[in-house]
Amino acid sequence: QKEVEQDPGPLSVPEGAIVSLNCTYSNSAFQYFMWYRQYSRKGPELLMYTYSSGNKEDGRFTAQVDKSSKYISLFIRDSQPSDSATYLCAMSSVRGLIFGTGTLLAVQP
Amino acid sequence: DGGITQSPKYLFRKEGQNVTLSCEQNLNHDAMYWYRQDPGQGLRLIYYSQIVNDFQKGDIAEGYSVSREKKESFPLTVTSAQKNPTAFYLCASSRGTGGNTIYFGEGSWLTVV
Repeated sequence: QKEVEQDPGPLSVPEGAIVSLNCTYSNSAFQYFMWYRQYSRKGPELLMYTYSSGNKEDGRFTAQVDKSSKYISLFIRDSQPSDSATYLCAMSSVRGLIFGTGTLLAVQP
Repeated sequence: DGGITQSPKYLFRKEGQNVTLSCEQNLNHDAMYWYRQDPGQGLRLIYYSQIVNDFQKGDIAEGYSVSREKKESFPLTVTSAQKNPTAFYLCASSRGTGGNTIYFGEGSWLTVV
């Protein structure tokens, strides 16, 4: 079993839709959770950073962590074509970050 | 501008040849990392270094080598022993390990021909 599981998609939604991206993990020691956005042929860029359980909001983006269920989510409101990218969840370990496989999102105009 | 610079962006290599990918950062970060990205497999850790003159193997270190002689530099050599080297390689850095945010370079595309 992989330490971090993420649905690879692809996920296609119309402009303006609410998008929900999810990851599950198996290591209960993970405490820091991140979401990265990666455009095609580019390096990933940090989108959201959360510590332990709870919600964090930043503009149209909300990150949610449920440690009891070992489940994290990223919500995108009013999605835009410019949000089309691969979204990677990541969790911290002493060796750096453990990444999910990424979900490819396409927002159709 | 502060950041992580990887070079070259695109590289072609013949089978049996070693190739070195450059990574330089001016963020004054202690920790540096090399990841490999393949379609459908996410990012996999090759090597990481928490401090100058020290580095550790990641999950897929076989066929790769690194050095950390300077804080700002962490070159990766893809040797001929790497059986499937064609991939997108990403260098990253952070202030430390554990919960510190990792920042990435723009990546290097290696194709073996």
